[in-house]
Formats: sequence, C-alpha cells, structure tokens
Amino acid sequence: NAGVTQTPKFRILKIGQSMTLQCTQDMNHNYMYWYRQDPGMGLKLIYYSVGAGITDKGEVPNGYNVSRSTTEDFPLRLELAAPSQTSVYFCAARGASPYEQYFGPGTRLTVT
Amino acid sequence: QKEVEQNSGPLSVPEGAIASLNCTYSDRGSQSFFWYRQYSGKSPELIMFIYSNGDKEDGRFTAQLNKASQYVSLLIRDSQPSDSATYLCAVNPSYIPTFGRGTSLIVHP
Repeated sequence: NAGVTQTPKFRILKIGQSMTLQCTQDMNHNYMYWYRQDPGMGLKLIYYSVGAGITDKGEVPNGYNVSRSTTEDFPLRLELAAPSQTSVYFCAARGASPYEQYFGPGTRLTVT
Repeated sequence: QKEVEQNSGPLSVPEGAIASLNCTYSDRGSQSFFWYRQYSGKSPELIMFIYSNGDKEDGRFTAQLNKASQYVSLLIRDSQPSDSATYLCAVNPSYIPTFGRGTSLIVHP
C-alpha cells in the first residue's frame, strides 16, 4: 500500500519554465490537497479537490493550476515559474474519517 | 481571514519532562482541531485530533481544547529525544484546513 506518492522528489527550474508535479493516491480518498511550505512556516493551501472533476482554490493559488480527472491523480501545474515559487510542495489525501489523513513525501522545488 | 497562531520556538525541554505546545485560532466557528508532527525534511503526520472541549489522551499525548478562549494545546508527557520535531496545529472547518506555522520542540538528554 503506497499511500500518497509524489514525483519528482527534487527539481530545479529556470525562471519562466513550466512543470507538473505529480501526485497519486491508492486509498480511494475523495479529498486531495496541494500545500506549499516555506522555511520555518506552516503549510499554505494552494488548491484542493473534493472528488474527481471538482477543484477549488486555496489560500495561495496564483501561478498554479490543477486538474482532477480521476480519484487517484491530482497533478499541480506551475506555469512561468518564478523565484517566489521556490518551496517544498506536499500533496495530501483525506478520507471520511479524521484518522485518514496522509501526506506525500514532498517535492523540493528551486526556481533560479 | 482565519488565522492560527503558534509560537515558533524552539521549545527546549529535558528528557522525561512534560512539553506543552499551544495554539490559538481566530475563527470562533471552528469545530475540529488537529496536531501534526513533522520531522526535519519529512512530511507531516497526524498525531491527535480533538472536537470537544476538555482533554483527549492518547498514550503520552494529551490534546486540550478550550473553545471559549479559542486555544488548543498539546501536552507530551515523558518527553523523549525522538519527540524532537516541529508540531503543527491545524483548524479544519469543513475539511479545508488552516495551519499554524508550527512550534519546534527540542528534547535534550
């Protein structure tokens, strides 16, 4: 049981490049989330999804896009990368029970 | 805007002591409260949640909630060096969580 997987683990982008951060869960959970975490800070919600085909903005959505075509996958797209997007990105999935909360291992992104 | 406040620390306690971590929140309508542990370079993991006023115990961890004063705390009894981590508080109305910045805990032998 893999839980939540994220790829890549590390990435360096040049300013203006684009990329997609992949997130996959194998628990059939409806809720999925993308967060970013800057050094010494908590998690900021970028986008979330309550099920396939349904997504909504979180606290810091500018510069990002998401899609949720299946229950399993929730990719995060960065368009025109900027240094302010340098961060660690976590994907998470949540089930109906509050015990069912799982985070992926994270993607460390540097934009230079 | 919903806010969750935590002292960033570090909070340093000796091994075997009780560590007390505190969190305040602004949204008086919040119903559920979560504590996560995050080791350096790792992802957060859920350790406790609480919905009702009062205390909830799970092993060495106790979560305390006071909705009238809008604070939630986490007590770690018999602290161990392996408890050294950042502890994140989250308020989770309707499945959309708001996190605090976390408190760094250092347990020294």
